[in-house]
Amino acid sequence: QKEVEQDPGPLSVPEGAIVSLNCTYSNSAFQYFMWYRQYSRKGPELLMYTYSSGNKEDGRFTAQVDKSSKYISLFIRDSQPSDSATYLCAMSSVNAGNNRKLIWGLGTSLAVNP
Amino acid sequence: DAGITQSPRHKVTETGTPVTLRCHQTENHRYMYWYRQDPGHGLRLIHYSYGVKDTDKGEVSDGYSVSRSKTEDFLLTLESATSSQTSVYFCAISDSHGGLNNQPQHFGDGTRLSIL
Repeated sequence: QKEVEQDPGPLSVPEGAIVSLNCTYSNSAFQYFMWYRQYSRKGPELLMYTYSSGNKEDGRFTAQVDKSSKYISLFIRDSQPSDSATYLCAMSSVNAGNNRKLIWGLGTSLAVNP
Repeated sequence: DAGITQSPRHKVTETGTPVTLRCHQTENHRYMYWYRQDPGHGLRLIHYSYGVKDTDKGEVSDGYSVSRSKTEDFLLTLESATSSQTSVYFCAISDSHGGLNNQPQHFGDGTRLSIL
């Protein structure tokens, strides 16, 4: 079993829909949680960065962490065609040390249709 | 965008030849990383650096070496390229602030490497 599981999709939604993207993990030591967006032929771009549990909101994006369930979510409100991309989750523990080792999900491909 | 430049952006080469990829940053960040990204495997860490001349292995380091002689440059070398090293290679950088060691990583736009 992988340390981080992420449904690869593809997920296809109409413009304006609310999108929910999720990752589950097995290591209870994870404290830092990140969501990245990757457009085709580009590098991953940091969207959200949260520490420990709770919610964080930035514009149309909300990141949610449920440590008791080992489950993180990214919600996109009023989705736009420009949100079409692959979304990657990543996480690390407090004791990642010098290597800043991130554990990555495989990514979920999202298509928002006009 | 974080000031990260990867070169070349695309390269096609033959099995057995040496290949060097370059990552240049203008952010003065302490940490630099090399990843490869492959379908079904996601992002995998090859090597990373925590300072000038300070490097260590990641999870898929066999067949790769790195060097960091200046803060801004991190080189990845394939000494004798093999077809299994055909991939997209990403450089990332991160820093530490106020004693918090887990700052997020920021990525370049990658090098597409094909080994025939």
